[in-house]
Amino acid sequence: DQQVKQNSPSLSVQEGRISILNCDYTNSMFDYFLWYKKYPAEGPTFLISISSIKDKNEDGRFTVFLNKSAKHLSLHIVPSQPGDSAVYFCAVTSGSRLTFGEGTQLTVNP
Amino acid sequence: AAGVIQSPRHLIKEKRETATLKCYPIPRHDTVYWYQQGPGQDPQFLISFYEKMQSDKGSIPDRFSAQQFSDYHSELNMSSLELGDSALYFCASSRPGLAYEQYFGPGTRLTVT
Repeated sequence: DQQVKQNSPSLSVQEGRISILNCDYTNSMFDYFLWYKKYPAEGPTFLISISSIKDKNEDGRFTVFLNKSAKHLSLHIVPSQPGDSAVYFCAVTSGSRLTFGEGTQLTVNP
Repeated sequence: AAGVIQSPRHLIKEKRETATLKCYPIPRHDTVYWYQQGPGQDPQFLISFYEKMQSDKGSIPDRFSAQQFSDYHSELNMSSLELGDSALYFCASSRPGLAYEQYFGPGTRLTVT
């Protein structure tokens, strides 16, 4: 039973354009929603989070949107840079544990 | 800035052997988490410790045990290793009151042959 789903295994965008990564979840009781970035041979790196009581959180080039009625989470990266190329995981938390989606491989082409 | 330290980075063991993975959290972080990531999978929560007490338990096999010590470092002990235990094992830590923001170490790649 996958509680968090990232339906796009990969996404390719041009440098300078917007990258939009999507995530759907099933349980409306989750407290926080997060995005992590992962490079090969490294651990996941925390990017940005949003509380369940908010619908938007912005940090520099990264903005996370939460649509609770649709149980949908998205991450916008503007402008995209080649260094953003990595696997992006959305994650949810209820209590202290994180539950991750399957990940989306983002490739930003110069 | 200091990060989560994990050792060893790579470990090769044979079936039925034991393994011990170590994790040193970021200074002043009080909670440690262990995750397992199999090939092509997302990280799966195993267990967590808050102030040296087990705080949550996920899909951790009975063959595995873990603890957090007085200096907040944690060890994951794995016995009777099976081929299916081959995976990346991540440790993460979080600050007091911010359990949802977890900072991950580089992981230990365990290969069971």
